[in-house]
Amino acid sequence: EAQVTQNPRYLITVTGKKLTVTCSQNMNHEYMSWYRQDPGLGLRQIYYSMNVEVTDKGDVPEGYKVSRKEKRNFPLILESPSPNQTSLYFCASSLYGGNTEAFFGQGTRLTVV
Amino acid sequence: KNQVEQSPQSLIILEGKNCTLQCNYTVSPFSNLRWYKQDTGRGPVSLTIMTFSENTKSNGRYTATLDADTKQSSLHITASQLSDSASYICVVSGAGGSYIPTFGRGTSLIVHP
Repeated sequence: EAQVTQNPRYLITVTGKKLTVTCSQNMNHEYMSWYRQDPGLGLRQIYYSMNVEVTDKGDVPEGYKVSRKEKRNFPLILESPSPNQTSLYFCASSLYGGNTEAFFGQGTRLTVV
Repeated sequence: KNQVEQSPQSLIILEGKNCTLQCNYTVSPFSNLRWYKQDTGRGPVSLTIMTFSENTKSNGRYTATLDADTKQSSLHITASQLSDSASYICVVSGAGGSYIPTFGRGTSLIVHP
């Protein structure tokens, strides 16, 4: 089944403790991206990747890192999480760029206390 | 700066009624416009895609329209069902470059029995 898989689904952590949210897609898509979704603000892009070893900042990249060592995986790293990073995070992939259909993961609800 | 504005922000209707959601955008040059449906706590799922030459496209009870001259789109839902309760997100992709999509903040639709 074609899908985008994120893990974990739920995560509660403390301020400053490094964490990684994994994202994997099995559709051989070139384009992958991370979004955060906050009430009233909609989906905002954090980082995106056009292909392996090619990543770029989205609208809200501060406090986040990503890597794209393999085509299927695109982990999101929070080196020193802060409470303002409490949010619902989505990973998405699409065949080429943003003008092709995006397939979203199930979401990761992160709480930083 | 590319922008996508959606209205209304929220909408409550009775089951069986029709409704129309609006999307205005400033993205230029234009590549395509997608409507996504996002159920609570889940990732968005694509409903329709509109390209420059298309005026109307239907997907079951969902009908999207596009006026590329005025840069407006609408999503019409016919004979609403309880399962239509969701957030509807308008996403516009520009042409050229990396085709980074611009997301609207969404319209939250609640269908009451």
